[in-house]
Amino acid sequence: DAEITQSPRHKITETGRQVTLACHQTWNHNNMFWYRQDLGHGLRLIHYSYGVHDTNKGEVSDGYSVSRSNTEDLPLTLESAASSQTSVYFCASSESKGTWQGYTFGSGTRLTVV
Amino acid sequence: GNSVTQMEGPVTLSEEAFLTINCTYTATGYPSLFWYVQYPGEGLQLLLKATKADDKGSNKGFEATYRKETTSFHLEKGSVQVSDSAVYFCALILIQGAQKLVFGQGTRLTINP
Repeated sequence: DAEITQSPRHKITETGRQVTLACHQTWNHNNMFWYRQDLGHGLRLIHYSYGVHDTNKGEVSDGYSVSRSNTEDLPLTLESAASSQTSVYFCASSESKGTWQGYTFGSGTRLTVV
Repeated sequence: GNSVTQMEGPVTLSEEAFLTINCTYTATGYPSLFWYVQYPGEGLQLLLKATKADDKGSNKGFEATYRKETTSFHLEKGSVQVSDSAVYFCALILIQGAQKLVFGQGTRLTINP
Protein backbone atom coordinates (compact mmCIF):
# COMPACT_ATOMS: atom_id res chain seq x y z
CA ASP A 1 0.00 0.00 0.00
CA ALA A 2 1.09 3.55 -0.68
CA GLU A 3 2.11 5.53 2.35
CA ILE A 4 3.87 8.60 3.65
CA THR A 5 6.46 8.07 6.36
CA GLN A 6 8.34 10.48 8.56
CA SER A 7 11.52 9.83 10.48
CA PRO A 8 12.53 9.99 13.19
CA ARG A 9 9.32 9.93 15.27
CA HIS A 10 11.06 11.69 18.13
CA LYS A 11 14.24 13.77 18.17
CA ILE A 12 16.05 15.71 20.87
CA THR A 13 18.77 18.08 19.74
CA GLU A 14 20.82 20.92 21.12
CA THR A 15 20.52 24.59 20.28
CA GLY A 16 22.64 25.53 17.28
CA ARG A 17 22.84 22.07 15.72
CA GLN A 18 21.67 21.31 12.20
CA VAL A 19 18.80 18.83 12.09
CA THR A 20 17.13 17.12 9.14
CA LEU A 21 13.68 15.56 9.29
CA ALA A 22 12.84 13.02 6.62
CA CYS A 23 9.61 12.65 4.68
CA HIS A 24 9.10 9.87 2.12
CA GLN A 25 5.91 9.15 0.17
CA THR A 26 5.08 6.34 -2.22
CA TRP A 27 1.83 7.87 -3.53
CA ASN A 28 3.66 9.39 -6.49
CA HIS A 29 2.20 12.75 -5.49
CA ASN A 30 3.72 15.84 -7.02
CA ASN A 31 2.79 18.16 -4.14
CA MET A 32 4.50 17.90 -0.75
CA PHE A 33 4.18 20.12 2.33
CA TRP A 34 5.75 20.63 5.73
CA TYR A 35 3.69 21.97 8.64
CA ARG A 36 4.44 22.57 12.28
CA GLN A 37 1.81 22.09 14.95
CA ASP A 38 1.84 24.21 18.10
CA LEU A 39 -0.78 24.61 20.79
CA GLY A 40 -3.05 27.53 20.00
CA HIS A 41 -1.76 27.90 16.44
CA GLY A 42 -3.09 24.85 14.68
CA LEU A 43 -0.92 23.84 11.74
CA ARG A 44 1.28 26.42 10.06
CA LEU A 45 2.90 25.92 6.68
CA ILE A 46 6.70 25.96 6.61
CA HIS A 47 7.65 25.01 3.03
CA TYR A 48 6.04 23.27 0.10
CA SER A 49 6.91 21.82 -3.27
CA TYR A 50 4.91 21.21 -6.45
CA GLY A 51 7.46 18.92 -8.03
CA VAL A 52 11.11 18.00 -8.46
CA HIS A 53 13.42 20.97 -8.00
CA ASP A 54 10.50 23.21 -7.00
CA THR A 55 10.37 24.67 -3.47
CA ASN A 56 8.36 27.54 -1.96
CA LYS A 57 8.27 29.33 1.37
CA GLY A 58 5.26 29.11 3.61
CA GLU A 59 4.17 31.44 6.39
CA VAL A 60 6.83 30.35 8.95
CA SER A 61 9.84 29.49 6.80
CA ASP A 62 12.58 31.41 8.65
CA GLY A 63 15.25 29.02 9.95
CA TYR A 64 14.09 26.12 7.75
CA SER A 65 15.01 24.87 4.30
CA VAL A 66 13.90 22.07 1.97
CA SER A 67 15.12 20.50 -1.24
CA ARG A 68 13.29 18.27 -3.71
CA SER A 69 15.63 16.07 -5.74
CA ASN A 70 13.04 13.36 -6.51
CA THR A 71 9.29 12.85 -6.33
CA GLU A 72 9.31 10.72 -3.18
CA ASP A 73 11.29 12.83 -0.69
CA LEU A 74 11.10 16.30 0.83
CA PRO A 75 13.58 16.55 3.73
CA LEU A 76 13.22 19.51 6.11
CA THR A 77 16.42 21.02 7.49
CA LEU A 78 16.74 23.27 10.50
CA GLU A 79 19.94 25.14 9.80
CA SER A 80 20.69 26.08 13.41
CA ALA A 81 18.10 24.70 15.80
CA ALA A 82 16.48 27.10 18.26
CA SER A 83 14.23 26.43 21.25
CA SER A 84 11.39 28.19 19.38
CA GLN A 85 11.51 25.34 16.88
CA THR A 86 10.46 22.78 19.46
CA SER A 87 7.27 21.48 17.90
CA VAL A 88 5.56 18.59 16.17
CA TYR A 89 6.28 18.54 12.46
CA PHE A 90 3.97 17.00 9.88
CA CYS A 91 4.67 16.20 6.28
CA ALA A 92 1.83 15.89 3.78
CA SER A 93 1.40 15.15 0.09
CA SER A 94 -1.34 15.62 -2.49
CA GLU A 95 -2.11 15.16 -6.15
CA SER A 96 -1.12 17.74 -8.71
CA LYS A 97 -2.95 20.98 -9.13
CA GLY A 98 -6.39 20.62 -10.64
CA THR A 99 -7.02 17.08 -9.36
CA TRP A 100 -7.90 17.76 -5.74
CA GLN A 101 -8.19 14.60 -3.64
CA GLY A 102 -7.07 15.92 -0.29
CA TYR A 103 -3.84 15.78 1.61
CA THR A 104 -2.30 12.61 3.02
CA PHE A 105 -0.39 13.20 6.25
CA GLY A 106 2.51 11.44 7.88
CA SER A 107 2.43 10.50 11.57
CA GLY A 108 4.62 13.39 12.61
CA THR A 109 8.03 14.04 14.17
CA ARG A 110 8.21 15.46 17.67
CA LEU A 111 11.31 17.67 17.87
CA THR A 112 12.66 19.03 21.13
CA VAL A 113 15.46 21.61 21.07
CA VAL A 114 17.29 21.91 24.39
CA GLY B 1 -6.04 36.87 3.24
CA ASN B 2 -7.48 33.43 3.84
CA SER B 3 -8.18 32.25 7.37
CA VAL B 4 -10.23 29.78 9.39
CA THR B 5 -11.64 30.34 12.87
CA GLN B 6 -12.86 27.46 15.03
CA MET B 7 -14.64 27.48 18.33
CA GLU B 8 -12.18 27.29 21.18
CA GLY B 9 -11.80 24.09 23.09
CA PRO B 10 -11.44 21.91 24.83
CA VAL B 11 -14.92 20.49 24.48
CA THR B 12 -16.04 17.75 26.86
CA LEU B 13 -19.26 15.82 26.32
CA SER B 14 -20.90 12.67 27.57
CA GLU B 15 -21.36 9.68 25.32
CA GLU B 16 -24.45 9.94 23.05
CA ALA B 17 -24.57 13.73 23.34
CA PHE B 18 -25.04 15.98 20.29
CA LEU B 19 -21.90 17.62 18.99
CA THR B 20 -21.40 20.92 17.20
CA ILE B 21 -18.00 22.43 16.50
CA ASN B 22 -18.27 25.84 14.86
CA CYS B 23 -16.07 26.88 11.95
CA THR B 24 -16.12 30.11 9.97
CA TYR B 25 -13.80 31.20 7.22
CA THR B 26 -12.51 34.18 5.29
CA ALA B 27 -11.35 33.62 1.73
CA THR B 28 -10.33 35.78 -1.21
CA GLY B 29 -11.91 33.37 -3.65
CA TYR B 30 -14.26 30.39 -3.66
CA PRO B 31 -12.74 27.79 -1.31
CA SER B 32 -13.23 24.09 -0.78
CA LEU B 33 -13.75 23.23 2.87
CA PHE B 34 -12.57 20.32 4.98
CA TRP B 35 -12.66 18.77 8.40
CA TYR B 36 -9.62 16.78 9.48
CA VAL B 37 -9.36 14.64 12.60
CA GLN B 38 -6.24 13.85 14.61
CA TYR B 39 -6.36 10.91 17.01
CA PRO B 40 -3.79 10.81 19.84
CA GLY B 41 -0.26 10.21 18.57
CA GLU B 42 -1.29 10.15 14.92
CA GLY B 43 -1.25 12.39 11.89
CA LEU B 44 -4.28 14.12 10.45
CA GLN B 45 -6.93 12.21 8.54
CA LEU B 46 -9.48 13.70 6.20
CA LEU B 47 -12.90 13.36 7.83
CA LEU B 48 -15.13 15.06 5.26
CA LYS B 49 -15.14 17.78 2.62
CA ALA B 50 -17.40 20.03 0.57
CA THR B 51 -16.39 21.79 -2.59
CA LYS B 52 -19.30 24.14 -3.32
CA ALA B 53 -22.05 26.06 -1.60
CA ASP B 54 -24.85 23.97 -0.01
CA ASP B 55 -22.82 20.76 -0.37
CA LYS B 56 -23.01 18.49 2.66
CA GLY B 57 -19.96 16.41 3.52
CA SER B 58 -20.51 13.34 5.68
CA ASN B 59 -18.48 10.47 7.12
CA LYS B 60 -18.61 8.24 10.22
CA GLY B 61 -21.81 9.94 11.39
CA PHE B 62 -20.30 13.42 11.13
CA GLU B 63 -21.81 16.06 8.84
CA ALA B 64 -20.98 19.59 7.77
CA THR B 65 -22.75 21.85 5.28
CA TYR B 66 -20.99 24.52 3.21
CA ARG B 67 -22.86 27.76 3.95
CA LYS B 68 -21.61 30.50 1.65
CA GLU B 69 -24.01 33.14 2.99
CA THR B 70 -22.64 32.77 6.53
CA THR B 71 -19.13 31.64 5.49
CA SER B 72 -19.45 28.66 7.81
CA PHE B 73 -18.81 24.92 7.84
CA HIS B 74 -19.93 23.69 11.25
CA LEU B 75 -19.24 20.06 12.19
CA GLU B 76 -22.10 18.06 13.74
CA LYS B 77 -22.74 14.57 15.01
CA GLY B 78 -25.97 13.37 16.51
CA SER B 79 -24.59 10.90 19.05
CA VAL B 80 -20.91 10.93 19.93
CA GLN B 81 -18.89 7.97 21.15
CA VAL B 82 -15.81 7.70 23.34
CA SER B 83 -13.85 6.77 20.20
CA ASP B 84 -14.61 10.22 18.74
CA SER B 85 -12.23 11.80 21.26
CA ALA B 86 -9.65 13.60 19.12
CA VAL B 87 -8.58 17.00 17.85
CA TYR B 88 -10.66 18.34 14.97
CA PHE B 89 -9.37 20.84 12.43
CA CYS B 90 -11.37 22.90 9.99
CA ALA B 91 -9.48 23.90 6.86
CA LEU B 92 -9.91 25.56 3.49
CA ILE B 93 -8.14 25.54 0.17
CA LEU B 94 -8.46 27.60 -2.96
CA ILE B 95 -8.20 25.08 -5.78
CA GLN B 96 -7.66 27.82 -8.32
CA GLY B 97 -4.82 29.24 -6.29
CA ALA B 98 -1.74 27.76 -4.71
CA GLN B 99 -3.57 24.70 -3.34
CA LYS B 100 -2.28 25.20 0.18
CA LEU B 101 -4.47 24.07 3.04
CA VAL B 102 -5.15 26.76 5.63
CA PHE B 103 -6.08 25.34 9.03
CA GLY B 104 -8.01 26.57 12.00
CA GLN B 105 -6.40 26.25 15.40
CA GLY B 106 -8.05 22.91 16.19
CA THR B 107 -10.64 21.88 18.78
CA ARG B 108 -9.87 19.14 21.27
CA LEU B 109 -12.90 16.94 21.92
CA THR B 110 -13.14 14.55 24.87
CA ILE B 111 -16.07 12.17 25.22
CA ASN B 112 -16.69 10.66 28.64
CA PRO B 113 -18.48 7.30 29.02
